[in-house]
Amino acid sequence: SQQGEEDPQALSIQEGENATMNCSYKTSINNLQWYRQNSGRGLVHLILIRSNEREKHSGRLRVTLDTSKKSSSLLITASRAADTASYFCAGASGGSYIPTFGRGTSLIVHP
Amino acid sequence: DAGVIQSPRHEVTEMGQEVTLRCKPISGHDYLFWYRQTMMRGLELLIYFNNNVPIDDSGMPEDRFSAKMPNASFSTLKIQPSEPRDSAVYFCASSSTVGFRSADTQYFGPGTRLTVL
Repeated sequence: SQQGEEDPQALSIQEGENATMNCSYKTSINNLQWYRQNSGRGLVHLILIRSNEREKHSGRLRVTLDTSKKSSSLLITASRAADTASYFCAGASGGSYIPTFGRGTSLIVHP
Repeated sequence: DAGVIQSPRHEVTEMGQEVTLRCKPISGHDYLFWYRQTMMRGLELLIYFNNNVPIDDSGMPEDRFSAKMPNASFSTLKIQPSEPRDSAVYFCASSSTVGFRSADTQYFGPGTRLTVL
C-alpha cells in the first residue's frame, strides 16, 4: 500500500510565488521524506521529518507534519524556474523504515 | 563518491530478448533497492536487499524478473524474456543503516530507460 499520496497532481505557478504540495498517508509512520525528480533524472532527497517533529526547514523548503491528520506539506518559498520538477513524498512505517513513494506532484515554475 | 551508478543508461531490445540491468551502490551502503517507474503506475519498489540478501521481492511483477546481489558493490536486475509492457525507467537506489533504524535516506542512480519493441 502506498504511504504517500500527493496533492495536487500538477501545479503551475510564476517565478517568485510560493508552491505548496500536500501529502496524505494511510498508516502511522516513523518518518516522512520528500524527494525531487528532475526530468530524466533519478530522485534526489530533499528533507526528512520524523514522526515526533512538526516542522522542519531547509533553505527555501519548509515541511510540516500533522500525524493526527496523517498529512504533510512541502512549501517552496520564492520559487525559481529551476524548481520545476516532480516532487514525491515517501512515508516509512514498521520496523524496517523502508519508504513507500507516492505518485508525485508535477511543479512547473514559469520564468 | 560517484554516487549510485547504473548501466546501461538506455536499452532498446526486441520482445523475447533477455535484458540485464546493472547497479553499483554507494560504497558502505548496506541496502539496495530496485524500482520501476512508468506514467501509469508511478514509482514501484520491485525488490530490496540488505547486506546482499534479498529481503522483500513482493514487488517483482512475475517470474520473468530476477535480481541478484553477488557482493556489496554490484547488483543486477534481469528480465527474461522481455515484453513491451516492461518498457519503463528502472532505478537503483542505496541507503545505509542509521543507528537502530534499518534504512533512511535513499540515494538514487540516474536510471536505465528500457524500451522493449
